[in-house]
Amino acid sequence: GNSVTQMEGPVTLSEEAFLTINCTYTATGYPSLFWYVQYPGEGLQLLLKATKADDKGSNKGFEATYRKETTSFHLEKGSVQVSDSAVYFCALRGLSGGYQKVTFGTGTKLQVIP
Amino acid sequence: NAGVTQTPKFRVLKTGQSMTLLCAQDMNHEYMYWYRQDPGMGLRLIHYSVGEGTTAKGEVPDGYNVSRLKKQNFLLGLESAAPSQTSVYFCASSLSGTGRTGNTIYFGEGSWLTVV
Repeated sequence: GNSVTQMEGPVTLSEEAFLTINCTYTATGYPSLFWYVQYPGEGLQLLLKATKADDKGSNKGFEATYRKETTSFHLEKGSVQVSDSAVYFCALRGLSGGYQKVTFGTGTKLQVIP
Repeated sequence: NAGVTQTPKFRVLKTGQSMTLLCAQDMNHEYMYWYRQDPGMGLRLIHYSVGEGTTAKGEVPDGYNVSRLKKQNFLLGLESAAPSQTSVYFCASSLSGTGRTGNTIYFGEGSWLTVV
């Protein structure tokens, strides 16, 4: 079946540091890839997505590139802010058992300190 | 601009009690999902539905039942609550799609359930 593996957290960074959260996946066919963000006490919100190989998703300074050759979708941001503190989930949407299903990673907690 | 709405947001149950979580979406989505979120385990799919009148089991269906009598609503029921069902529950919905369609999943704000 489909699976998503992301780096364990928590990740603690100082403000303005560079962020990378690794995500790799296993899936058949051509899945779509997503990063979701969850702020404390809230539901998940779509951060960015990519639907085919070599696509780059970007939003709010975050970027991730769909790398089919390495089955990866790493999340990056050049300069993090305290307001970026949240839990980040990598996910894929692909065929499983004949239907489109979304599979999530376990989440990576990011804490940005001033 | 409602999107996906879950009720109730918070509930405390005694072991053995029953309850129903209601999810409503106003985006005419075909697919609806119920997830539970537990520390260190991410989101796990409980049940899902690919259209009105259909339901299917996800990864962790035991102890839960669902119904999709109307396209816009997806109900999650706990017939006899257990402490292991203490969790945060998220409903989500999406358009149907195949192949490379990257339809976005829209989430509700979550329902915090405690079983004592």
